[in-house]
Amino acid sequence: GQNIDQPTEMTATEGAIVQINCTYQTSGFNGLFWYQQHAGEAPTFLSYNVLDGLEEKGRFSSFLSRSKGYSYLLLKELQMKDSASYLCAPLDSNYQLIWGAGTKLIIKP
Amino acid sequence: ETGVTQTPRHLVMGMTNKKSLKCEQHLGHNAMYWYKQSAKKPLELMFVYNFKEQTENNSVPSRFSPECPNSSHLFLHLHTLQPEDSALYLCASSRKLADTDTQYFGPGTRLTVL
Repeated sequence: GQNIDQPTEMTATEGAIVQINCTYQTSGFNGLFWYQQHAGEAPTFLSYNVLDGLEEKGRFSSFLSRSKGYSYLLLKELQMKDSASYLCAPLDSNYQLIWGAGTKLIIKP
Repeated sequence: ETGVTQTPRHLVMGMTNKKSLKCEQHLGHNAMYWYKQSAKKPLELMFVYNFKEQTENNSVPSRFSPECPNSSHLFLHLHTLQPEDSALYLCASSRKLADTDTQYFGPGTRLTVL
């Protein structure tokens, strides 16, 4: 079966660094997306990884290891506005997104 | 603003009512999607349309009826819903289907069934 595993909730301090992990098992693999979703709002695209390694985009970086079925999202210099849910979603062999339940990130001053 | 709009943003309906959700995308995309998002659960894909043709129906009960008159508009018609259908209903679009294109989401309709 297809399965996504990510922590339900994490707490971090403003200005710090946090890493949100995601492990996945899918039928085939065509890359992995990370989305950010603020409460009551639309999910918005953060990153897409299809090759192994780290991709950096400003304060946010995303890492992928295809052999381990593992990805993480790294957020640096945390700001209060980063409080949101972070959704991990690999693409399976049919190019269908398989969604995790999301990790709710709480930032404290 | 993602270029995908949804109306209404909030809807409360009784189990015997009939209502419709509307989605419009201004991105020139060809694929559109309906998702259901319940609290603390993964997004559930409900329907997929490609160039106005339905390509996916993920075992959704018939009380949900989609309609796609053109590539820019998508509707979800609701009738005789159950309280467990209360959720956030999200519309999304992408440039192409069955590809690695990013999906762009609307803000959702928060549905409460009494």
